[in-house]
Amino acid sequence: NAGVTQTPKFQVLKTGQSMTLQCAQDMNHNSMYWYRQDPGMGLRLIYYSASEGTTDKGEVPNGYNVSRLNKREFSLRLESAAPSQTSVYFCASSEAWGANSPLHFGNGTRLTVT
Amino acid sequence: GENVEQHPSTLSVQEGDSAVIKCTYSDSASNYFPWYKQELGKGPQLIIDIRSNVGEKKDQRIAVTLNKTAKHFSLHITETQPEDSAVYFCAGSTGGGADGLTFGKGTHLIIQP
Repeated sequence: NAGVTQTPKFQVLKTGQSMTLQCAQDMNHNSMYWYRQDPGMGLRLIYYSASEGTTDKGEVPNGYNVSRLNKREFSLRLESAAPSQTSVYFCASSEAWGANSPLHFGNGTRLTVT
Repeated sequence: GENVEQHPSTLSVQEGDSAVIKCTYSDSASNYFPWYKQELGKGPQLIIDIRSNVGEKKDQRIAVTLNKTAKHFSLHITETQPEDSAVYFCAGSTGGGADGLTFGKGTHLIIQP
């Protein structure tokens, strides 16, 4: 039982390149999320999927797209990377759609855009 | 929207002493307050949470208190140990979905041997 698995762990991109961050959970959770973590900024929600087949914007969605591939997998795509997207990205899942449902986080992807 | 302020940003305590991290929130409708612990190189993990109908909750060495009138809540860790060294995040929510969860900016807790 691995929980939430993110790949890759580290990535370096040049400005303008694209990439997809992968996330999978094996807890049969309904809801999944993408956050970014920047020094002194805490955790900010990029996109979320309340249930399979739905996705919605969070606080900072510009420059990103997401796909809820199935109940297990939720990917985050950067179409044209910018230095401002240098960050640590966390995928999370929760059993139910509700703020009271605890979030389970992966170990993050550290992305550097040069 | 909700605004959650967290203090201090860094806290250094001697092993065995107590540590207190404080958060304030702006939206009086907030009713759920979780605390997450993030160890180096890992994702945050829920350690304790409290709902607005409760003033205090304990789990072994950790406790959380909530003052709804003053709109602040605190994390208390007693008899600190080296494994308590981590970054701690508070959060507040007005309910609904997790898109309504607002995190504080984090406190780096350092346990000095």
